[in-house]
Amino acid sequence: QLQLQESGPGLVKPSETLSLTCTVSGGSIRFSSYSWGWIRQPPGKGLEWIGDIYYSGNTYYNASLKSRVTISIVPSKNQFSLKLNSVTAADTAVYYCARRDEQAWFYWGQGTLVTVSS
Amino acid sequence: SSELTQDPAVSVALGRTVRITCQGDSLRSYYASWYQQKPGQAPVLVIYGKNNRPSGIPDRFSGSSSGNTASLTITGAQAEDEADYYCNSRDSSGDHLGVFGTGTKVTVL
Repeated sequence: QLQLQESGPGLVKPSETLSLTCTVSGGSIRFSSYSWGWIRQPPGKGLEWIGDIYYSGNTYYNASLKSRVTISIVPSKNQFSLKLNSVTAADTAVYYCARRDEQAWFYWGQGTLVTVSS
Repeated sequence: SSELTQDPAVSVALGRTVRITCQGDSLRSYYASWYQQKPGQAPVLVIYGKNNRPSGIPDRFSGSSSGNTASLTITGAQAEDEADYYCNSRDSSGDHLGVFGTGTKVTVL
């Protein structure tokens, strides 16, 4: 059974960079037909797609975040990562990593809360 | 528009049927997928494609689509179905599953 696990700091200061890693177990990150993505959910609010990446390295980002986001993949570690720079309180959210195929987001991590505060 | 709109909340009596809708222009061209989220938990996929359920999802969950509206129906709602439900589909470019609906809170009475 595929499992995804987010890791990273739970507290980030305003204007700094949020960095998270997603470790994939129970399957390889190298399948070309899947993409690996990040989705976030501010407290009490809905889901927001941040972006995703294919094993090839091709990346796709939410237009509203594109100038601040970088998603990268490390196949040797079966991991992919998220960097979001110049964070503000509005970036406080639970961040999920997930795997999608052509039709849906099938597998999700448990999520990690990141709070932006000084 | 790349937006997907859902009713904020619906309620259903135990054992009855409830339909949750999701409206958006992209749904004229693409199927929606549906996710159930209980408090403090990650979303779980319940319906994808035309009307497909992942392994382990009860058959009381079904999906349909017409025009710009996708629907998730729970036939014979159970207490454990009380949750938030989100639809998801492709954005206007058609390339990415990047648009989530606004979410519907389902209360089972």
